[in-house]
Amino acid sequence: QQPVQSPQAVILREGEDAVINCSSSKALYSVHWYRQKHGEAPVFLMILLKGGEQKGHEKISASFNEKKQQSSLYLTASQLSYSGTYFCGTEIDFGNEKLTFGTGTRLTIIP
Amino acid sequence: DAGITQSPRYKITETGRQVTLMCHQTWSHSYMFWYRQDLGHGLRLIYYSAAADITDKGEVPDGYVVSRSKTENFPLTLESATRSQTSVYFCASRGSGAFFGQGTRLTVV
Repeated sequence: QQPVQSPQAVILREGEDAVINCSSSKALYSVHWYRQKHGEAPVFLMILLKGGEQKGHEKISASFNEKKQQSSLYLTASQLSYSGTYFCGTEIDFGNEKLTFGTGTRLTIIP
Repeated sequence: DAGITQSPRYKITETGRQVTLMCHQTWSHSYMFWYRQDLGHGLRLIYYSAAADITDKGEVPDGYVVSRSKTENFPLTLESATRSQTSVYFCASRGSGAFFGQGTRLTVV
């Protein structure tokens, strides 16, 4: 079953912040985040493992709330290059690396 | 070249024909995946493989067949193509994260 992402789309001005959420009805082992530019393949951003950790990648960071089976991706001081569609991918079982993706969040950054 | 490559990049085929999409990776990753991407549905898992000769169904396996005789190759076959299989197909392999090929845009007419 696909994880649910929200919002489906968001438009920001350069420099503004955004939060993208990903939730699952099943207990998760890990959550991945990917960004896809138009006409290109998705690119891996980061992975968060069970344990409620938070990770950062430049001005892009994420958290994983194990109790709620939710993850949030934070984009601060957004840049034009952040535009694209963001996908979360979820793994349910340790040892089974099957990855199921959400339907994506389209982020548009305008000058 | 290191990485994961798909072929062909573009394919037009007729309804009822058999089509095979190729995927090759040079990392020796154990896990490989096939996804299809359609507007409004995100990335949906078709099949995945944990190792050579080990494959399993994903969310949308009907009409597709996979094989994995060697670790580096994971071809996807549409046995009898239908218009509903028009899509962009991505192959991926797992390191810490998943690394995707460039995609194959398949049109069934």
